[in-house]
Amino acid sequence: DAKTTQPNSMESNEEEPVHLPCNHSTISGTDYIHWYRQLPSQGPEYVIHGLTSNVNNRMASLAIAEDRKSSTLILHRATLRDAAVYYCILGAQKLVFGQGTRLTINP
Amino acid sequence: DTGVSQNPRHKITKRGQNVTFRCDPISEHNRLYWYRQTLGQGPEFLTYFQNEAQLEKSRLLSDRFSAERPKGSFSTLEIQRTEQGDSAMYLCASSQMGAEGEKLFFGSGTQLSVL
Repeated sequence: DAKTTQPNSMESNEEEPVHLPCNHSTISGTDYIHWYRQLPSQGPEYVIHGLTSNVNNRMASLAIAEDRKSSTLILHRATLRDAAVYYCILGAQKLVFGQGTRLTINP
Repeated sequence: DTGVSQNPRHKITKRGQNVTFRCDPISEHNRLYWYRQTLGQGPEFLTYFQNEAQLEKSRLLSDRFSAERPKGSFSTLEIQRTEQGDSAMYLCASSQMGAEGEKLFFGSGTQLSVL
């Protein structure tokens, strides 16, 4: 399984944008880039995924580098409810989770 | 609510006992996954099914673990002769494989404590 590298933790302020980076230099041509998040005491929750083009949905945006070796999850206006562990995962199926980035939002 | 349902939410057992967990996926989803998560770690893949067929089982999964998905609907995960190291959150997820990749929907998990 292709590996991703994420910072262990990040901190941001409420109502500010948050950019969560992910490096995946060994990504293969068929690997989708998935983002999930996990709030305390809950199962992971789908955020967004994409293959080559940037993607937007109501939760976030996904910016994918042209060479696909890195991507960034963008939360446009963070709220306290966005505090969670965010996982960047590669694959088409059977998603393998890493350690993720623990995002703290300051009021 | 048509989300993924897991039962029980919590299970406390004594070492050496057998335990069984149940997962009810979203009804139209043909894939079902089991993951295990310990404190501070990301979810660890255990096994997955497509309909009733078990397609892959992690090498980390010992012979004490078995999963079934009869008729391609709900699934059960059984752990025999539990050990303290089995204490973890067991997560189930379901998905419908599509043309644009796979999107997993997770249940809230079953927290197992082995005393």
